[in-house]
Amino acid sequence: DAGVIQSPRHEVTEMGQEVTLRCKPISGHNSLFWYRQTMMRGLELLIYFNNNVPIDDSGMPEDRFSAKMPNASFSTLKIQPSEPRDSAVYFCASSLGQIADTQYFGPGTRLTVL
Amino acid sequence: AQKITQTQPGMFVQEKEAVTLDCTYDTSDQSYGLFWYKQPSSGEMIFLIYQGSYDEQNATEGRYSLNFQKARKSANLVISASQLGDSAMYFCAMRDRSNDYKLSFGAGTTVTVRA
Repeated sequence: DAGVIQSPRHEVTEMGQEVTLRCKPISGHNSLFWYRQTMMRGLELLIYFNNNVPIDDSGMPEDRFSAKMPNASFSTLKIQPSEPRDSAVYFCASSLGQIADTQYFGPGTRLTVL
Repeated sequence: AQKITQTQPGMFVQEKEAVTLDCTYDTSDQSYGLFWYKQPSSGEMIFLIYQGSYDEQNATEGRYSLNFQKARKSANLVISASQLGDSAMYFCAMRDRSNDYKLSFGAGTTVTVRA
């Protein structure tokens, strides 16, 4: 069975550019999560969706960040404009039902903003 | 307030020996879940094991077992018969109602298995 798929795996961009990260959750999973991991702050939940609807975006750092889930098999996290402090590993995770279920993570996207 | 505490930033273990990774948690909820994830140097987060607060038995998954001590609010991970491939960062996490069931992660423990 395919796990959570993320693309790209690595992204290097310059400050001010738009960055779009993509995620395909495990088929049949109804909840999708976006996390950010940095050395300083560890793993932070940015936003999560249930049945394609954003439920909690309280972790989104600022208006430069936006996330969408147009259908059950695809989600994007966009940063516009990007800044060097956005450099981190961004993970997408999915779970079968509600937020309380076990979350399975994708391989992550390592973002570097120069 | 810190909900998950992992006090061991790094540990060394000899191949084939067992290692225990400490995790303590803080919650006032009666119903909660505890998780352990492994993050090897390649970066992915791999789910290892889950323990529910009402589970009477300690969870086990192959060489992984969870030493759940509810009164002490600890959920230590035991890896038996360590292998070189167990070298990784290990994260303890909890979800509870007071945090809207969102996962709270500890800072992690780095395990290095020596041949």
